[in-house]
Amino acid sequence: EVQLVESGGGLVQPGGSLRLSCAASGFTFSSYDMHWVRQATGKGLEWVSAIGTAGDPYYPGSVKGRFTISRENAKNSLYLQMNSLRAGDTAVYYCARGFRYGGNPSWSAFDIWGQGTMVTVSS
Amino acid sequence: DIQMTQSPSSLSASVGDRVTITCRASQSISSYLNWYQQKPGKAPKLLIYAASSLQSGVPSRFSGSGSGTDFTLTISSLQPEDFATYYCQQSYSTPIFTFGPGTKVDIK
Repeated sequence: EVQLVESGGGLVQPGGSLRLSCAASGFTFSSYDMHWVRQATGKGLEWVSAIGTAGDPYYPGSVKGRFTISRENAKNSLYLQMNSLRAGDTAVYYCARGFRYGGNPSWSAFDIWGQGTMVTVSS
Repeated sequence: DIQMTQSPSSLSASVGDRVTITCRASQSISSYLNWYQQKPGKAPKLLIYAASSLQSGVPSRFSGSGSGTDFTLTISSLQPEDFATYYCQQSYSTPIFTFGPGTKVDIK
């Protein structure tokens, strides 16, 4: 069964750090782009980071310089190191698989999602 | 940055109704548009990719159309399990992705 399972969420103080993990199974992890997406309670989805098959990372401006995405293909694992956390980073964090349905990189969607892990930034 | 908007933000409908949700991009994104369904407490689920291609396993009552800046998601006959929030997402600016704000479909 194709599956993603996140872990590592919890309560952290503002300015603190947290490392999220995502364990993949049921597919060739190294062959896929991977993503983190977050969702604050009652709010919409926000793309947080991506990593390509070659390990190239990408971030939106809201987290650039504070978050670091990485992958360990030998362990079928994706990570998100989050530093300098703020109250606004409080959310459920999902990992998702990037599905490329064409040769152009823009032909991409998120076809498999984990169940999410909750991150709460509060004093 | 490409901004995505959706309308309406919420709607009430009955089982069997035809439902249409609109997504608009702030610039042309060709057909690089995906649709997701999310139920409360659950992860999103991919419904439509490339504006009109149905993801494997998704019922055929779901369809997508559009290109450029204007897109629609249509549910031809709303079923009880379709009450959820629907999000559009642009992949034109890959590896930067943007989601729309969502449209909540609830029971009338």
